[in-house]
Amino acid sequence: DIQMTQSPSTLSASVGDRVTITCRASQSISSWLAWYQQKPGKAPKLLIYKASNLESGVPSRFSGSGSGTEFALTISSLQPDDFATYYCQQYHTALCSFGQGTKVEIK
Amino acid sequence: EVQLVESGGGLVQPGQSLSLSCAASAFTFGDYAVSWFRQAPGKGLEWIGFIRGKAFGWTSEYAASVRGRFTISRDDSKANAYLLMNSLTAEDTAVYFCARGCAAVAGYYFDYWGQGTLVTVSS
Repeated sequence: DIQMTQSPSTLSASVGDRVTITCRASQSISSWLAWYQQKPGKAPKLLIYKASNLESGVPSRFSGSGSGTEFALTISSLQPDDFATYYCQQYHTALCSFGQGTKVEIK
Repeated sequence: EVQLVESGGGLVQPGQSLSLSCAASAFTFGDYAVSWFRQAPGKGLEWIGFIRGKAFGWTSEYAASVRGRFTISRDDSKANAYLLMNSLTAEDTAVYFCARGCAAVAGYYFDYWGQGTLVTVSS
């Protein structure tokens, strides 16, 4: 099974900050990586697929990068609506797996 | 607007079974895989399994943690998917989500999600 490790687990930031969350795969997953945002009591929301493709309707301040085993989600200028938990998900294999999540908190 | 709505959650005793439903609308249901996930209280997302669409023979895959206890099925004529859970334990207590799968070479990412349904396993 492919293990996904996110860092940091928690991130404290202010509105307007540039924020980067990293995700590492235990083996190469090419570009088969998605990023989701989840707010308390809500379903996850797809942000990025195939490592760097922005889902329709997602603000352009979100961007994804990376390939192989190292990936990143960057928020260029953090907005109040962005305080949430973020998950990466690999789909290189049929048995997909998620990172443990990164909670972005208000500093 | 694409929608998925889960139902069937509730309180169940250890050792019992429970079936969840996922009702889909506003897209060609048979063309897509449907996956189930869960999230234990205060924990992260866990993939449970998925069932592919007709083009892939309605085959399914499961996470090792539930294989043999959980079964996913679908009825394309009703645009519904189902999750049958057997031999439930307290560790199965979670919010259960269904989601629409977008196909890649081997796996799927998930673009539309239901709101979730809570399953509590307790005596």
